[in-house]
Amino acid sequence: GAGVSQSPSNKVTEKGKDVELRCDPISGHTALYWYRQSLGQGLEFLIYFQGNSAPDKSGLPSDRFSAERTGGSVSTLTIQRTQQEDSAVYLCASSPSTGELFFGEGSRLTVL
Amino acid sequence: AQSVTQLDSHVSVSEGTPVLLRCNYSSSYSPSLFWYVQHPNKGLQLLLKYTSAATLVKGINGFEAEFKKSETSFHLTKPSAHMSDAAEYFCVVSDYGGSQGNLIFGKGTKLSVKP
Repeated sequence: GAGVSQSPSNKVTEKGKDVELRCDPISGHTALYWYRQSLGQGLEFLIYFQGNSAPDKSGLPSDRFSAERTGGSVSTLTIQRTQQEDSAVYLCASSPSTGELFFGEGSRLTVL
Repeated sequence: AQSVTQLDSHVSVSEGTPVLLRCNYSSSYSPSLFWYVQHPNKGLQLLLKYTSAATLVKGINGFEAEFKKSETSFHLTKPSAHMSDAAEYFCVVSDYGGSQGNLIFGKGTKLSVKP
C-alpha cells in the first residue's frame, strides 16, 4: 500500500513481557517518528530518525524502550519488561522532510 | 524554544454553525505550522499547512487557517460544521534545529458536533 503500515494493530501482553511494534514507512521518506498516545491524551514524542543521522531518542521514557530503523526503512519499537503504564496507542509517522507527517493507524498495546 | 498552545481542550458546536479552534505559538524563527485531525481510533491526517507563502491557508474538508504573525496565532476555522468533523485536532509548529524531531505538538482540541 501507499501509506504507513503498522503492526500489530492490537497487542495484549502480560506485565513483564517484551513487545515489538513494527512500522513500514512510505517508500522514500527519510524521516520516521514514533509517538505514544495514552487514553484521552495528546501525543508524546518518543524517537525520531532522519536518514543516516543518529536518532533523537530524547523522548524515550525509560531504558526499557528502544527503537531501530534498518536500512533507512522499516522501524521496530521494542518495549522490554512491559508495565501497565505502557498501555497506550503507539503511532508511527514518516515524512519526506517537508515537516508534513504521514501517520499509520497505530498499534494499541494493552498490558495486563 | 518553540512552543504551541491550543487554548481549548474541548469545543462543542451545533451542526451548521461555524467552528473556531484556537492555536497560539511561540517561535524564534519564521515557523511552519500545521493542523492535523484525528478521528476516533485512527491515525492523524494533515488538514493544512503554512510554510511562509499565503497567510490564509485552505485545507481539506472546508477548513482554513490564518497565520497572524502579530498575534502569533494560527486559528483553524470552518464556516459550517458537519457531524463528520467531530474529532480531535492538533496544532503543530516546526522547531528547526530543536528537539522532538523538529515538530512540537499542541495538546489537542476535541471537537464535538451536536445535531
